[in-house]
Amino acid sequence: EIVMAQSPATLSVSPGEKATLSCRASQSVRSNLAWYQQKPGQAPRLVIYSASTRAAGIPARFSGSGSGTDFTLTINSLQSEDFAIYYCQQYNDWPPITFGPGTKIDLK
Amino acid sequence: QVHLVQSGAEVRKPGASVKISCKTSGYTFTNYAIHWVRQAPGQRLEWMGWINTGNGNTKYSQKFQDRVTITRDTTASTVYMEVNSLKSEDSTVYFCARDYSGRGFFAPWGQGTLVTVSS
Repeated sequence: EIVMAQSPATLSVSPGEKATLSCRASQSVRSNLAWYQQKPGQAPRLVIYSASTRAAGIPARFSGSGSGTDFTLTINSLQSEDFAIYYCQQYNDWPPITFGPGTKIDLK
Repeated sequence: QVHLVQSGAEVRKPGASVKISCKTSGYTFTNYAIHWVRQAPGQRLEWMGWINTGNGNTKYSQKFQDRVTITRDTTASTVYMEVNSLKSEDSTVYFCARDYSGRGFFAPWGQGTLVTVSS
C-alpha cells in the first residue's frame, strides 16, 4: 500500500498571501496524483489531477507540480473561500487508493 | 449537471448491517465507475471500494473486503453499499464519488451519509 504524507499539518496564511502545500508518496506514483479541497460539513472537491491539471471550475491561482514521490499544491493570492483542508490522493497503484492526512489552511 | 445524492443518516446497533444508496443523475450511469470513501472525524479519507457500473465488477480495499458489498441498479442509476457486522469504529461519514475519467480520482462527490453505530 502506498502511504501518503502531507506537510505542514496546518498552514496559517493571510488573505492575499501564497500558500505552498507538500505531499510525499512512499513510492513513485508517477503523475497519478490528485488534490482535493474540503470545507467543514462538505464533501471533498477535486482541485488538481494528473499532478498539475486544474479541474473544471478551479481558479487559475491554484497550481500543482511534481512527479514521482514529491508534489506541491500552490495557491497564489489566497482568497477567503480557499481556507479549507487539502488532501492529496494517489491513484497510480490501486487498490487501495490512498489519501494523505491533509493540510489545513487557516487564517493567520 | 452531474449530481450524486446519497440516502439519509442511519443508526444501527453493533453487529447489524446498513445499506447506503447513491443516486446519480445528469450523465450516462454506465459510463463512469462509482467509488465509496469514508471519513472518521478528524481523520484522513479512507477508500473502501469501487464498482464498474457498466459490468458490475467490483474492487475492495483489503480492510473492508469481508464486510462490504457494492452493487448497482442500472435502471435506477443508483449504486448501493452495504456494510455488515458493524462496529463502533464504523460510526463515520460515508461518501460516494464518481470516477472522473476511469483512472481513480473523483468528481463529483455525494453529500455524505452519517452512520452511527451504538448500542
